[in-house]
Amino acid sequence: NAGVTQTPKFQVLKTGQSMTLQCAQDMNHNSMYWYRQDPGMGLRLIYYSASEGTTDKGEVPNGYNVSRLNKREFSLRLESAAPSQTSVYFCASSREPDTQYFGPGTRLTVL
Amino acid sequence: AQSVAQPEDQVNVAEGNPLTVKCTYSVSGNPYLFWYVQYPNRGLQFLLKYITGDNLVKGSYGFEAEFNKSQTSFHLKKPSALVSDSALYFCAVRGYNAGNNRKLIWGLGTSLAVNP
Repeated sequence: NAGVTQTPKFQVLKTGQSMTLQCAQDMNHNSMYWYRQDPGMGLRLIYYSASEGTTDKGEVPNGYNVSRLNKREFSLRLESAAPSQTSVYFCASSREPDTQYFGPGTRLTVL
Repeated sequence: AQSVAQPEDQVNVAEGNPLTVKCTYSVSGNPYLFWYVQYPNRGLQFLLKYITGDNLVKGSYGFEAEFNKSQTSFHLKKPSALVSDSALYFCAVRGYNAGNNRKLIWGLGTSLAVNP
């Protein structure tokens, strides 16, 4: 039981490049989330998915898109990366919208 | 407006002494309250939660938290701090939006430093 896994662990992009962050959970959770963490800003919700086939915007969705591929997988895409998207990205999942379990994070730098 | 406040950016405590990390909240309806811990370069780990029942909740690693409805607080406590408890601690409360989808509202975190 791996819990929540994320790939890659680290990534460096140039401004304007695109990339997809992958997240998978093996706990049969319905809800999945993408957060970004920046110093002094705490955790900010980018997008979430309450169930397979549905996605909703969080606090800071601009510049991002998501796909809930199936119940297990929830990906985050940056179409045209900007330096302001330099951050640590966390994926989380929950059975109900209560206790969330987090992945190890992806540290992204945009030059 | 629904919110969570962690009034202290940093808490310093000597090893062996009791520790308290403070959290206050504002949310409509009955709150679901959570504490998470983040060790350096790691993801967040769930510590404990309050949903209903006994106001004193016990969690992982010897931590506990007390729900106080009148003071709208959910302070994290531990009787005897360890150096290994040094980490970033987040309080969160479940909130409601117009569509009744329920998302967590997060505090900004409190950095706990336990000194040997």
